[in-house]
Amino acid sequence: KQEVTQIPAALSVPEGENLVLNCSFTDSAIYNLQWFRQDPGKGLTSLLLIQSSQREQTSGRLNASLDKSSGRSTLYIAASQPGDSATYLCAVRPSTGFQKLVFGTGTRLLVSP
Amino acid sequence: EAGVTQFPSHSVIEKGQTVTLRCDPISGHDNLYWYRRVMGKEIKFLLHFVKESKQDESGMPNNRFLAERTGGTYSTLKVQPAELEDSGVYFCASSQDGWFSGNTIYFGEGSWLTVV
Repeated sequence: KQEVTQIPAALSVPEGENLVLNCSFTDSAIYNLQWFRQDPGKGLTSLLLIQSSQREQTSGRLNASLDKSSGRSTLYIAASQPGDSATYLCAVRPSTGFQKLVFGTGTRLLVSP
Repeated sequence: EAGVTQFPSHSVIEKGQTVTLRCDPISGHDNLYWYRRVMGKEIKFLLHFVKESKQDESGMPNNRFLAERTGGTYSTLKVQPAELEDSGVYFCASSQDGWFSGNTIYFGEGSWLTVV
């Protein structure tokens, strides 16, 4: 059974810092991995999608890496801003039952001015 | 282009009552999913439609939950009778892809259900 863990559960940093969020998964048989952002009381916004054959994806100040064999992904946020404050969720799409996403519990990020 | 829309955004009902949640996917998206997050837990898959057909309903917790997708357009998720443990956020999502594609899944803002 696929399990996804995110560390840390919460993170508080001053504005301008570079930071790394971690995601690990127990079964390397995945189709892809997706990072989402959730603002309080809002839905999920997709940030980056990495296919199993890819090593990383970049969008603006965000960079996500994937090491499928070791069951790890990281989301790197450069020059953090208060507007980055949100909960960040990692989700994998297993190779079997591939239409289901398996989510981690998220990392709650607070960037202070 | 409109995103995934869900109604109601918030609902408070008494134990034993019935609630129906509605989801309108992005136009043209054949795949529609329901997920939910109960307090303190991770978001979990409930079921998946391809057009009007249920492709996978392995995540549905019990037979108090009934999902439909009329004509392959909008979907409803009915909880009858509601129990306290059903409280949480119910997310609907849609995607354009087939089984072979890695397209992004788009989520709605969720229907926040509180059962008292």
